[in-house]
Amino acid sequence: EAQVTQNPRYLITVTGKKLTVTCSQNMNHEYMSWYRQDPGLGLRQIYYSMNVEVTDKGDVPEGYKVSRKEKRNFPLILESPSPNQTSLYFCASRQGNEQFFGPGTRLTVL
Amino acid sequence: GESVGLHLPTLSVQEGDNSIINCAYSNSASDYFIWYKQESGKGPQFIIDIRSNMDKRQGQRVTVLLNKTVKHLSLQIAATQPGDSAVYFCAENDRDDKIIFGKGTRLHILP
Repeated sequence: EAQVTQNPRYLITVTGKKLTVTCSQNMNHEYMSWYRQDPGLGLRQIYYSMNVEVTDKGDVPEGYKVSRKEKRNFPLILESPSPNQTSLYFCASRQGNEQFFGPGTRLTVL
Repeated sequence: GESVGLHLPTLSVQEGDNSIINCAYSNSASDYFIWYKQESGKGPQFIIDIRSNMDKRQGQRVTVLLNKTVKHLSLQIAATQPGDSAVYFCAENDRDDKIIFGKGTRLHILP
């Protein structure tokens, strides 16, 4: 089944404790993105990657890092999480104009 | 800056009636528009798309209408069902090939 998977689905952590949210897709898509979704603000792009070893900042990259060492994986890294990074995070892969989203990761930073 | 937005944050529709969800966009250079459905606890799912050289496209129970003159996009859902309850997002593909999302409309289905 073609899909995008994310782990963990839920995470509660404390300020400053480094964390990684993994994302994997099995559709051989070159383009992958990370979004955060907040009430009243909709989906905002954090980072995107157009291919292996190619990553670019989206609209809200501050406080986040990504890597793209292989085509299927695109982890999101929070080196020092802060409470304002409490949000719902979605990974997506894209083929042409169609995006496929993962199930989401709900992150709470205390 | 240019953005995609939605007229109404919440829409309530009687089961069996048709639903119309509206969206306004401001980037006249956008050439591709998409509607997504997001059910509770899930990621957005592609519903239907339309290119700027079209004014109407039909899918299964859904129709997207594009009015470039007034920069308006709508999603029509025929014979609305309980399973249609969700948040619906419009999105545009801008001149830089970036997909920009609107803030969403929540569709409530009344029994």
